Amino acid sequence: AAGVIQSPRHLIKEKRETATLKCYPIPRHDTVYWYQQGPGQDPQFLISFYEKMQSDKGSIPDRFSAQQFSDYHSELNMSSLELGDSALYFCASTDRGNEKLFFGSGTQLSVL
Amino acid sequence: DAKTTQPPSMDCAEGRAANLPCNHSTISGNEYVYWYRQIHSQGPQYIIHGLKNNETNEMASLIITEDRKSSTLILPHATLRDTAVYYCIALYNFNKFYFGSGTKLNVKP
Repeated sequence: AAGVIQSPRHLIKEKRETATLKCYPIPRHDTVYWYQQGPGQDPQFLISFYEKMQSDKGSIPDRFSAQQFSDYHSELNMSSLELGDSALYFCASTDRGNEKLFFGSGTQLSVL
Repeated sequence: DAKTTQPPSMDCAEGRAANLPCNHSTISGNEYVYWYRQIHSQGPQYIIHGLKNNETNEMASLIITEDRKSSTLILPHATLRDTAVYYCIALYNFNKFYFGSGTKLNVKP
């Protein structure tokens, strides 16, 4: 069965650079979530989208923005990267009739 | 959504049942109890969920107390591959799928 696809798997950036993470939800899933997980930390909710509209917002820095496109894929844009942004970024998807969230394998972002 | 409390870590012998407790004393009547696990740096994986009744699937059993203030996830025959962080989440609205601090389960040979 198709799963949630995230790209890239690994990303290395310098401080003050920008990064774009991509998430392709399971086909027919209309809801996407983004999470950030620092080393040794629990996943922290960043933002979610339902039918291309932002549905909830968590602890997402102002330097980050995200959107969901017409094909339901989502992108997390991160600017002015800081060392503290180094983390695993997970995307998850579901649809309103489902009772489960399905997670991707994550993107490991390293800011040097 | 109700806050959940879990022990930070637990040990279990391989082949034995692992019983992971979760306290959700402020849970409301329409909030489900979900369990997910995360095996080292992989994406969290769904295990099981329930509202009032006990539930069982191929991975685990979920026992919810009658007053719904606590629950227990049971892995009937733990293997080394079950070593992971287990998260208990009380959830009504999928818009607010927040992780708390889970239980690090160490399955030992």
